[in-house]
Amino acid sequence: DVKVTQSSRYLVKRTGEKVFLECVQDMDHENMFWYRQDPGLGLRLIYFSYDVKMKEKGDIPEGYSVSREKKERFSLILESASTNQTSMYLCASSLWGNTEAFFGQGTRLTVV
Amino acid sequence: RKEVEQDPGPFNVPEGATVAFNCTYSNSASQSFFWYRQDCRKEPKLLMSVYSSGNEDGRFTAQLNRASQYISLLIRDSKLSDSATYLCVVVPPMEYGNKLVFGAGTILRVKS
Repeated sequence: DVKVTQSSRYLVKRTGEKVFLECVQDMDHENMFWYRQDPGLGLRLIYFSYDVKMKEKGDIPEGYSVSREKKERFSLILESASTNQTSMYLCASSLWGNTEAFFGQGTRLTVV
Repeated sequence: RKEVEQDPGPFNVPEGATVAFNCTYSNSASQSFFWYRQDCRKEPKLLMSVYSSGNEDGRFTAQLNRASQYISLLIRDSKLSDSATYLCVVVPPMEYGNKLVFGAGTILRVKS
């Protein structure tokens, strides 16, 4: 059974903290994605990666960075958390760009 | 103009009804198209791919109209269990990277 695992379901962090969200996939997929989902706005792409050590900015990369040191792991980093980064964060992976994407269960991050 | 646009709904329909959603996309050179389903507090999951010739899976039919740049999803004989948010997904041309662009979603509520 294919699996994308996000390290935390719920997180509460303080403003200014550095936050790490981890995502691991076991399907040997090339592509990995980080989205945030907010009511009325849908899923917005933060960053994606199509290979180890490769990354591309999505639509809303400001305030975020990513790391992909190994094929199976894609980390999202909030350099200095702010309250407007309170959201649901979803990680996904796919074999190629035009194939099915599998999602993790999401991390609901609250920044106080 | 947004890359992918959907009517947010909600569409409130009785059991057994037929309901249709449309989704428009801005880049005429987009490659691939999908419908995903997202249940409340869950991650999105692939419902079906959308092919140029259209495709059908049981009560669900998806169609692509490249000339007018929209895709559609038709659900026949609606069930209570069809209540969810339906997300339209578009894969832009390769030069934009291997990313998936999501619409904000259409909420469907099927009532008894």
